[in-house]
Amino acid sequence: KAGVTQTPRYLIKTRGQQVTLSCSPISGHRSVSWYQQTPGQGLQFLFEYFSETQRNKGNFPGRFSGRQFSNSRSEMNVSTLELGDSALYLCASSLEPSYNEQFFGPGTRLTVL
Amino acid sequence: DQQVKQNSPSLSVQEGRISILNCDYTNSMFDYFLWYKKYPAEGPTFLISISSIKDKNEDGRFTVFLNKSAKHLSLHIVPSQPGDSAVYFCAASSNNNDMRFGAGTRLTVKP
Repeated sequence: KAGVTQTPRYLIKTRGQQVTLSCSPISGHRSVSWYQQTPGQGLQFLFEYFSETQRNKGNFPGRFSGRQFSNSRSEMNVSTLELGDSALYLCASSLEPSYNEQFFGPGTRLTVL
Repeated sequence: DQQVKQNSPSLSVQEGRISILNCDYTNSMFDYFLWYKKYPAEGPTFLISISSIKDKNEDGRFTVFLNKSAKHLSLHIVPSQPGDSAVYFCAASSNNNDMRFGAGTRLTVKP
């Protein structure tokens, strides 16, 4: 069974631009969560989607948004990029919402110049 | 707010000895706890978990201990191996809440 895939793996953008990251969960998994990882901050929860609905949202500004499609694939979008948005963005999928064990993708490394 | 805290950013142990990684939490609603291991350039992978109805869960060389009254959990690795060198994240959740992660502890096991 294929694992969680994320595209692209690496991305370089400039301040003010916007970016869309994609995540394909493990087949059969309906819950997708997004996390931001920065040095010293660990994994910060962004949001979770289940059955195309945003179930939970972390403490991030409105520039961060996401959505989930009927096939459970998910995208997250960051508008008006800031230097501080440079981070590793991780997607995780699980059969059910975040209570259970999550399976992580390799992440997308975003660099904002 | 950091509801899950890993106060040691790094830990170094000798091969064959015990590694003890600690984690504290503040939210008493958390009832499920997990440890993840992360190698560079890879996403975290699930290691071991424990429900709040237990105080210990063991899986091979890995044991997680939960002290609910102290809101503290720890991961013991015995014996430690060089391949265990990675960043370890503690995570906690409850049925209706998102999963919260600690900042991670970088474990280095020296041969």
